[in-house]
Amino acid sequence: GQNIDQPTEMTATEGAIVQINCTYQTSGFNGLFWYQQHAGEAPTFLSYNVLDGLEEKGRFSSFLSRSKGYSYLLLKELQMKDSASYLCAVRDTGTASKLTFGTGTRLQVTL
Amino acid sequence: ETGVTQTPRHLVMGMTNKKSLKCEQHLGHNAMYWYKQSAKKPLELMFVYNFKEQTENNSVPSRFSPECPNSSHLFLHLHTLQPEDSALYLCASSRTSGGSNEQFFGPGTRLTVL
Repeated sequence: GQNIDQPTEMTATEGAIVQINCTYQTSGFNGLFWYQQHAGEAPTFLSYNVLDGLEEKGRFSSFLSRSKGYSYLLLKELQMKDSASYLCAVRDTGTASKLTFGTGTRLQVTL
Repeated sequence: ETGVTQTPRHLVMGMTNKKSLKCEQHLGHNAMYWYKQSAKKPLELMFVYNFKEQTENNSVPSRFSPECPNSSHLFLHLHTLQPEDSALYLCASSRTSGGSNEQFFGPGTRLTVL
């Protein structure tokens, strides 16, 4: 099975940098995903890591360490519109399509 | 717009009613999924279909019955639900050919069981 942990809530200031951590314990691993979900909306894909290291995409970066079962999502130059829940999800090796999600981190960006 | 649509967006039903949720994807994907999202709980995978064949049933009660007539359409038939089944039901689709194969989600159906 899979166990995924991430903080429940975080608060950060507009223009700042915030790091959202995710730790996982899995029986199999075939990639880690980060999704953004605004209240009342569908989750939208942000990033994918399958190898160790940092993936950068504009203001957002995601890091993975498979040996430590650890990932983080880094958001730079925070904007008010970044206030949302950020979901960490791990894909299993057995079934190519099966994702297990964490409970999500609700980020509040303040002035 | 993610290319995945769901209807209805909101549904209120009694425990003896029968209703269906519909999902359609316009992305040419071959895999489709149903998830349940309850307050303060992780997104919970319910069913996976790959090329119209069910490949995953995550111990879902039989009062939820999925149907996948083709790779673009997915239904979730509901009957004799319980109040604890009230939640946001999300549909998603993806490729399965390799690479990230990220899932694209629909806007969800907010279900309330009275």
